[in-house]
Amino acid sequence: GENVEQHPSTLSVQEGDSAVIKCTYSDSASNYFPWYKQELGKRPQLIIDIRSNVGEKKDQRIAVTLNKTAKHFSLHITETQPEDSAVYFCAANDKTSYDKVIFGPGTSLSVIP
Amino acid sequence: DAGVIQSPRHEVTEMGQEVTLRCKPISGHNSLFWYRQTMMRGLELLIYFNNNVPIDDSGMPEDRFSAKMPNASFSTLKIQPSEPRDSAVYFCASSFGVSGELFFGEGSRLTVL
Repeated sequence: GENVEQHPSTLSVQEGDSAVIKCTYSDSASNYFPWYKQELGKRPQLIIDIRSNVGEKKDQRIAVTLNKTAKHFSLHITETQPEDSAVYFCAANDKTSYDKVIFGPGTSLSVIP
Repeated sequence: DAGVIQSPRHEVTEMGQEVTLRCKPISGHNSLFWYRQTMMRGLELLIYFNNNVPIDDSGMPEDRFSAKMPNASFSTLKIQPSEPRDSAVYFCASSFGVSGELFFGEGSRLTVL
């Protein structure tokens, strides 16, 4: 089945700086890569996703890049703000197991004002 | 739509007691997922239903756990008997299709003493 790894596990940045979170996946057949944000005490919510027919997708200050050859994908947050502080989860679909979404272990991002 | 609705939000019980968690998915969604979240194990998929049918229960930890979806608007996750190691936040999520955006409920925080 699919295995998703995520680095770093914790990340602290100064407000206004950029943050990058990297993930790797194991199954070359995976073709859907969502990112979820979970604020403290809240539910996870989708912030951006990418499918394997594109290499990059942007939405305002957030961008995701995908390298299918290397089985890597990354989340980039520019001009970070305190409200970006949260746990971010990357995920990938498991084509060998009903196409279900498998989550990485999460990255705790702290944006220091 | 009010989103995915879970109850109870908090449950404190004693070891050996039966626990039932409830979920109402978003109307029109045909996939429903139960996740367990702990610090140690992150977001674990316990079971996935498609069109009210259990498709993959490989994540259910042991026979003490069971889940049902009697109709498109209701699902339960039952733990009997409960143990302290079952303490976690249990999330229900629904989506249209398997690898589409997951809409999470607010979660049920279970504490087993």
